[in-house]
Amino acid sequence: QVQLVQSGAEVKKPGASVKVSCKASGYTFTSYGISWVRQAPGQGLEWMGWISAYNGNTNYAQKLQGRVTMTTDTSTSTAYMELRSLRSDDTAVYYCARESIAVAGIPNFDYWGQGTLVTVSS
Amino acid sequence: DIQMTQSPSSLSASVGDRVTITCRASQSISSYLNWYQQKPGKAPKLLIYAASSLQSGVPSRFSGSGSGTDFTLTISSLQPEDFATYYCQQSYSTPVSFGQGTKLEIK
Repeated sequence: QVQLVQSGAEVKKPGASVKVSCKASGYTFTSYGISWVRQAPGQGLEWMGWISAYNGNTNYAQKLQGRVTMTTDTSTSTAYMELRSLRSDDTAVYYCARESIAVAGIPNFDYWGQGTLVTVSS
Repeated sequence: DIQMTQSPSSLSASVGDRVTITCRASQSISSYLNWYQQKPGKAPKLLIYAASSLQSGVPSRFSGSGSGTDFTLTISSLQPEDFATYYCQQSYSTPVSFGQGTKLEIK
């Protein structure tokens, strides 16, 4: 069965960096893209960006450009999201999600990781 | 960027009720619309993709309709496990965007 298992919770100080991992199993890793979505406490869902596990192409949300880097390691079927220059408003649960292409080429997020809480506090 | 607006933001209903949640896009997105259910402390779960296709394993009481700018998610007969927050999401163009969510509560 498809699983995305994320790394554990992190506490960081403002200005630091965090790197969250997402290990995939149960499917051919390079056949799907991975998106990262975050959710601040009590808030809605915010898309951060996407990476192709096939060729490493990325597409980042403009508001995070310059602070976020998404990578993959195909040898371990793991995706990573690094966020730099952390601020208090980066405190959120961070999710990875597999992007599946369904009927008529319409993408959706069919499997999600369990989430990783990143707390930014001095 | 495409803005997604859901209504209502919250909704109280009883077990057995028929419930409809609406999602409107700020421009036409054809059928590039997905619906997710999220329970507290859990990751979102895909319910409906491509506006009207039921994800495998999702009960048939869930259905979706619409195209262009206006979409609906309908739950035909609410069950206790359906009380959650629901999000629509457009995948027509990046940045991908979600509605603000509809919290479905027990009356």
